[in-house]
Amino acid sequence: ETGVTQSPTHLIKTRGQQVTLRCSSQSGHNTVSWYQQALGQGPQFIFQYYREEENGRGNFPPRFSGLQFPNYSSELNVNALELDDSALYLCASRADRAKNIQYFGAGTRLSVL
Amino acid sequence: QQQVKQSPQSLIVQKGGISIINCAYENTAFDYFPWYQQFPGKGPALLIAIRPDVSEKKEGRFTISFNKSAKQFSLHIMDSQPGDSATYFCAASSPSGGSYIPTFGRGTSLIVHP
Repeated sequence: ETGVTQSPTHLIKTRGQQVTLRCSSQSGHNTVSWYQQALGQGPQFIFQYYREEENGRGNFPPRFSGLQFPNYSSELNVNALELDDSALYLCASRADRAKNIQYFGAGTRLSVL
Repeated sequence: QQQVKQSPQSLIVQKGGISIINCAYENTAFDYFPWYQQFPGKGPALLIAIRPDVSEKKEGRFTISFNKSAKQFSLHIMDSQPGDSATYFCAASSPSGGSYIPTFGRGTSLIVHP
C-alpha cells in the first residue's frame, strides 16, 4: 500500500451536478497532485498543491478546482459536470526530499450520466 | 499534442518470454523518465526510472534502455511472469517550479500467459 487513500471509491453523478473528491496524503508529504485517467488512457495532470497553494496546473478548465488543508489532505472539486468528466481520478503525494517520486492512491471512479 | 508516444497498445507474451514496450518523446527539456505499473483497481506505482545521462538501467528483471539522440526509451521485462500482467505507462518529466510533473504515455496492456 502507498499510504495515499482516496474517497469515495466510486461515484455516480448526473450532468450539471457538482462533485468533491477527497485524498489523504502519505504522512510527511506536503505536495499533492491530481490526475484524470480516462478509460484506456494515461493519467492527465490536473493541478498540484504545495503547502496549501496551487503551484502547477494542466490544461483543465476553471470548473476543476482544489484545496489542500494544513494536514496536507486535499480535495478536488468539479462543477457543472459533463459526460466527458467520467474517468478515474487519481491523487498522488510526494515529499520535498524526493521530488521525482510520487505515490498514487487507488483513485475514485466517477461516472457522469 | 501527445508529447510521449507509447507502443504497442497491447502485448501478449508467454511465461518466460521477453516483453518490450517502447516510448518516444518530443520535448528535449525532459530529463527524468519513469515507468509505472498499474494493476486493475489500483493506482500507478513507480517501477523503474532513468535519467538521460545513462543508456541503460537494470533492476531485477526490468531494464530501461535509453537513446537520447533518437529521443526514445524502452522497457524490457525479462522472464515475464503471469504476475507481470498489468498496464504499463512510460512517462517523462522536467523540473517545473521545483516539481517533476510527469507526462504519461497512453499505456500498454500486458498479458503474460502461463
